[in-house]
Formats: sequence, structure tokens, C-alpha cells
Amino acid sequence: EADIYQTPRYLVIGTGKKITLECSQTMGHDKMYWYQQDPGMELHLIHYSYGVNSTEKGDLSSESTVSRIRTEHFPLTLESARPSHTSQYLCASSDLKGAAHEQFFGPGTRLTVL
Amino acid sequence: AQSVTQLDSHVSVSEGTPVLLRCNYSSSYSPSLFWYVQHPNKGLQLLLKYTSAATLVKGINGFEAEFKKSETSFHLTKPSAHMSDAAEYFCVSLNQAGTALIFGKGTTLSVSS
Repeated sequence: EADIYQTPRYLVIGTGKKITLECSQTMGHDKMYWYQQDPGMELHLIHYSYGVNSTEKGDLSSESTVSRIRTEHFPLTLESARPSHTSQYLCASSDLKGAAHEQFFGPGTRLTVL
Repeated sequence: AQSVTQLDSHVSVSEGTPVLLRCNYSSSYSPSLFWYVQHPNKGLQLLLKYTSAATLVKGINGFEAEFKKSETSFHLTKPSAHMSDAAEYFCVSLNQAGTALIFGKGTTLSVSS
């Protein structure tokens, strides 16, 4: 079944650790996105990609980095986690050729940095 | 700058009564607008979308929304709430470049029996 997956769903980690949040989609979509959502706040786009080897920064500045080596995979990395990185991270994908830019979202990763 | 404002952070209704979740947008052009729903521990799901066709848009699970340019509004309604409608609802617009979604802060809908 075509879907979008995120792992881990929850992560509690200490300051200074390197972390990678995984996102994979089996829908054959070209575009993928990462959003950050602080509690009670709106989602903000932090990264997006049009396809393999394409990555762009979003509207909200983030210390995280992303890579797109395979179409279906769009991992997000924090080299040195800090408490200010505590948030929910949502991955999404969309079809470049579709109308209205409908995006499909994963279940999210809730990150807590101690 | 383009923005989306959800007028209520929390709405409480009784099962079987109508639902109204309010959204206003600010834009210098006529944007594409969406409503997404997020159930606990689930990903965001598209409820409906407006793309400059019919101003009254019907979505899944009995929800609909009406685009009113004169009021810059895109309110979400449902005639009769169900317990399973309890969730977080986001009003969203597409930026002019078509590269990103702009989210409102969300409205939590509670449904009591």
C-alpha cells in the first residue's frame, strides 16, 4: 500500500548527540518536505526537495540538514542536538505533476532533547 | 505577506450538532486553500481543497468549506458532529510560488456525547 513513513515516532536524547530522522514514501512522489511544529503552533517548512540531489531550505531557518540520494528517502540530520530542537517534525510528499499541490503527510517524529 | 488565521484555538460541540471552524486568509492574490485534519498519533490528512473552481467545496467525512473572497474566509462546516471528528484541524494556503504550504495555528475540535 502506498504510504509515507517516519521513524522513530518518538525520540528522547541528550544534548550534543547526532540524530537522523528517517522519512520514506512509497507513492513515487518527486517532491518531499520537512516541517517543524512546536506545541500549539503552526507548521513551518524547514526543507524541501524536488527530486534526487535537490534540496532547498524552507521558510523557517533550521540547523538541520537533509539529503536526497534516493527518490523515496529524505532523511533529516541534526549534527549536535540541543534543547531548542525539541519539536515535532513532519515529513510530507507530493506529485510534481498533480493539481493543487496536495501533500501527503507522515505521522511525525516527536523529538525531545534533554 | 501571506498568512492564514484560525480564529478559534478550541471549539467544543455536542455530538449531532453543527460544526463551524473559522479561517481567514490574507493574500494579494486568490490562493489555493486547504483544510487538513490531524488525529492523535496520526499524520495530517487532507479534508478538502479549493483551487479557484467552485466556491463551495465538499470534502471527506461530510465536511465542506466555502470560499468567500469578499470576506477573505474559508470556514469549515459539518451539519452533524460525530465523536470521531474530535481532532486538530489546520487551515492551509499555498504560497504564490507554489513551493510551500502556509499553515494556520490549528483548531482543536472536541465532541462530547
